[in-house]
Amino acid sequence: NAGVTQTPKFQVLKTGQSMTLQCAQDMNHNSMYWYRQDPGMGLRLIYYSASEGTTDKGEVPNGYNVSRLNKREFSLRLESAAPSQTSVYFCASTQSGLVNEQFFGPGTRLTVL
Amino acid sequence: SQQGEEDPQALSIQEGENATMNCSYKTSINNLQWYRQNSGRGLVHLILIRSNEREKHSGRLRVTLDTSKKSSSLLITASRAADTASYFCATDAYQDGGNQFYFGTGTSLTVIP
Repeated sequence: NAGVTQTPKFQVLKTGQSMTLQCAQDMNHNSMYWYRQDPGMGLRLIYYSASEGTTDKGEVPNGYNVSRLNKREFSLRLESAAPSQTSVYFCASTQSGLVNEQFFGPGTRLTVL
Repeated sequence: SQQGEEDPQALSIQEGENATMNCSYKTSINNLQWYRQNSGRGLVHLILIRSNEREKHSGRLRVTLDTSKKSSSLLITASRAADTASYFCATDAYQDGGNQFYFGTGTSLTVIP
């Protein structure tokens, strides 16, 4: 099993460009998440999907959209990138329930010039 | 923000010493988890403690939870150079069919050989 995979690993964008970050998991998990990690800020939740067909905003959703394409895949889209979106983005998944750990992908390092 | 905070932000110890880091959070929780992040990598789950538990052990890890003070501590005994990493606590609230996680700001641990 590959666990949680993310593409791309690195990306440089110019202000105003758009892009989609891809995430897939092969653990048959119900819930998937997108976080951003900035220096000294820990991880902040952007969007999550509790189950296939549902998505909800997290703490910092502005400037992002998501799509839960199917149970395996959860994508994050930046429609018009801004320098403030320079960050490391992590996707994670978990089996829903009262007691569950999250499994993380390796991250996407995004720089917006 | 519901994000927790770890204390200290950075900790440097000699190999063989014990390392203690603390986490404070703001809301009621189902459980609290600790994660480790090596530089440039995704987070890896270490240990989970439920809200009705006060202490839990896993190998060289010991976690305590005080829900009245909304705080937790992670103790790593007999530290090794390989323990050098950042450590994050995460609180977990199960609601609306999904788990939402809130991460602390992290403690950067350096173990000197």
